[in-house]
Amino acid sequence: EVPLVESGGGLVQPGESLRLSCAASGFTFNNYWMHWVRQAPGKGLVWVARIDGDGTSTNSADSVKGRFSISRDNAKNTVHLQMNSLRAEDTAVYYCTREDPWSEAFDIWGQGTMVTVSS
Amino acid sequence: QSVLTQPPSASGTPGQRVTISCSGSSSNIGRKFVYWYQQFPGTAPKVLIYKTDQRPSGVPDRFSGSKSGTSASLAISGLRSEDEADYYCAAWDDSVSGNWVFGGGTKLTVL
Repeated sequence: EVPLVESGGGLVQPGESLRLSCAASGFTFNNYWMHWVRQAPGKGLVWVARIDGDGTSTNSADSVKGRFSISRDNAKNTVHLQMNSLRAEDTAVYYCTREDPWSEAFDIWGQGTMVTVSS
Repeated sequence: QSVLTQPPSASGTPGQRVTISCSGSSSNIGRKFVYWYQQFPGTAPKVLIYKTDQRPSGVPDRFSGSKSGTSASLAISGLRSEDEADYYCAAWDDSVSGNWVFGGGTKLTVL
């Protein structure tokens, strides 16, 4: 059983929207902060957003603030990333990752889902 | 432009000790823990070091982390061919709204 599985990536045009999902299994989902981290082709890791265990606290990177929003459904063990007004520079593999509450490390990662923004 | 600065590349021969630096500021490395991640091509990252100098179970003690002021380092001793990968440092940044920041990554080549 794979702990984190992302879905929802694809090819969209600039200005369009996309919603990514990350299904979690094998752990008590609502005990963990969940994050999205992205990686443009051939580039480094960039943190995107995070949400606390009960979904009441969120933070996001300045580069996506006002365009992306993170949410979670603890009944379905799923975290989402709603991406609006997409730009070419949002093209990347998007990883869902779990933050361990003690070490504060991103200790489990999904396999990633590719988002391509191009006309 | 990453908030944390790493050299783009590093190299060493098998058995050598190599270090990878990560430079930040007072709002991140200077007052927060540092984390190191290892990533192989086409795969998700894996945590190597947490809370600056702690190793998760399963990570060989050849890997070690340290910090001094606003800079951190990852040291790999007894270099092996399977250590060839990309390495990223990360830290929480306290400035303004607060967010996690990563270094640009260092590609380690084992010659």
